[in-house]
Amino acid sequence: SQKIEQNSEALNIQEGKTATLTCNYTNYSPAYLQWYRQDPGRGPVFLLLIRENEKEKRKERLKVTFDTTLKQSLFHITASQPADSATYLCALDPIKAAGNKLTFGGGTRVLVKP
Amino acid sequence: EAQVTQNPRYLITVTGKKLTVTCSQNMNHEYMSWYRQDPGLGLRQIYYSMNVEVTDKGDVPEGYKVSRKEKRNFPLILESPSPNQTSLYFCASSHNRDRSTDTQYFGPGTRLTVL
Repeated sequence: SQKIEQNSEALNIQEGKTATLTCNYTNYSPAYLQWYRQDPGRGPVFLLLIRENEKEKRKERLKVTFDTTLKQSLFHITASQPADSATYLCALDPIKAAGNKLTFGGGTRVLVKP
Repeated sequence: EAQVTQNPRYLITVTGKKLTVTCSQNMNHEYMSWYRQDPGLGLRQIYYSMNVEVTDKGDVPEGYKVSRKEKRNFPLILESPSPNQTSLYFCASSHNRDRSTDTQYFGPGTRLTVL
């Protein structure tokens, strides 16, 4: 069956360090993979999109990698700040799915301590 | 301001009492979608719509209805709510022009409790 797995345990990290989150998937052939940020009680907010033919994408302090061989994406927050504390969701756009049918992972909560 | 709005934000109701959660977007997006979010299960798609009068089932459509009579509105209807529909609901929209750049904009959420 198809699965998208993110580490369900919260990631506690010291301010200034790099947080690294993992998104693993099975039985998908995604064309694109997206990362979203979600604050408690609020809707997800888009952060980055990476295509299957891209190895790496950056946006300010954020970096995403996409390895279709390992079926894995890594999401890095460099020089982390307390304001980065949130839940981060990865989402796949299955290449063969009809419509714009994003499928989400369960999310990883990040807590950055001052 | 570009946004997706949902109403109500919070709703407590009883089993069997029909309810509608409204969703509206002001970005002229073609694609709209409803998700529910439950602890341990993540975001799951209920229904989506590619354009006016075009709707299709997502992963968990049972017990829900939708309609898309206008581009900007995509209401979620629970004809006979049950306690297992207690959840946090999100509406989302996107342009749907190019999947290589398309991203979804989410509403603020509706927390529904069915007693």
